Amino acid sequence: AQSVTQLDSHVSVSEGTPVLLRCNYSSSYSPSLFWYVQHPNKGLQLLLKYTSAATLVKGINGFEAEFKKSETSFHLTKPSAHMSDAAEYFCVVNYRDDMRFGAGTRLTVKP
Amino acid sequence: NAGVTQTPKFQVLKTGQSMTLQCAQDMNHEYMSWYRQDPGMGLRLIHYSVGAGITDQGEVPNGYNVSRSTTEDFPLRLLSAAPSQTSVYFCASNPRSGGTDTQYFGPGTRLTVL
Repeated sequence: AQSVTQLDSHVSVSEGTPVLLRCNYSSSYSPSLFWYVQHPNKGLQLLLKYTSAATLVKGINGFEAEFKKSETSFHLTKPSAHMSDAAEYFCVVNYRDDMRFGAGTRLTVKP
Repeated sequence: NAGVTQTPKFQVLKTGQSMTLQCAQDMNHEYMSWYRQDPGMGLRLIHYSVGAGITDQGEVPNGYNVSRSTTEDFPLRLLSAAPSQTSVYFCASNPRSGGTDTQYFGPGTRLTVL
């Protein structure tokens, strides 16, 4: 079975500083990997996805993630945090329609 | 396009009651799914469907039934509600099955079982 571990339940950064949200996955096969964001009391929105093309994936709002097969990681980064980035972020692994979400990382951005 | 719609937005049930959460999409998507979201646990897949007439179990299927008679609709049934089913439920759809497409999520249904 496949699974996802988000290594930090809560990350706090200052506005304008880099963001790093960590995700490790476990899968016996080559999965698709996604990052979704959920703003308070809102639905989920796709940030970016990896589907076996380029290992560095660029998403919306300046986010990007790098797929590292040797480390089974798919960490999410952004060079400069904005107040509007405060939200819950979910790493997701998908193999043949079996989607598994990580527990989520809450990002706080301080002024 | 309305996208993925869910009704109701909120629901309170008593233990043992039954109800159906409705989900519809107007994008002609092949794949539809139901998740529950609980604090500290992310979203967990309950059931999914890769087309009309085809359904399968996800990670946490117990206590829930689904059917897919049309491409557009994918209702989730709770036959005998339990307090452990208190959660926020999300329906989602993908253009195709296979696991590589973006999922489109509905706004969610907040269910409380007393």
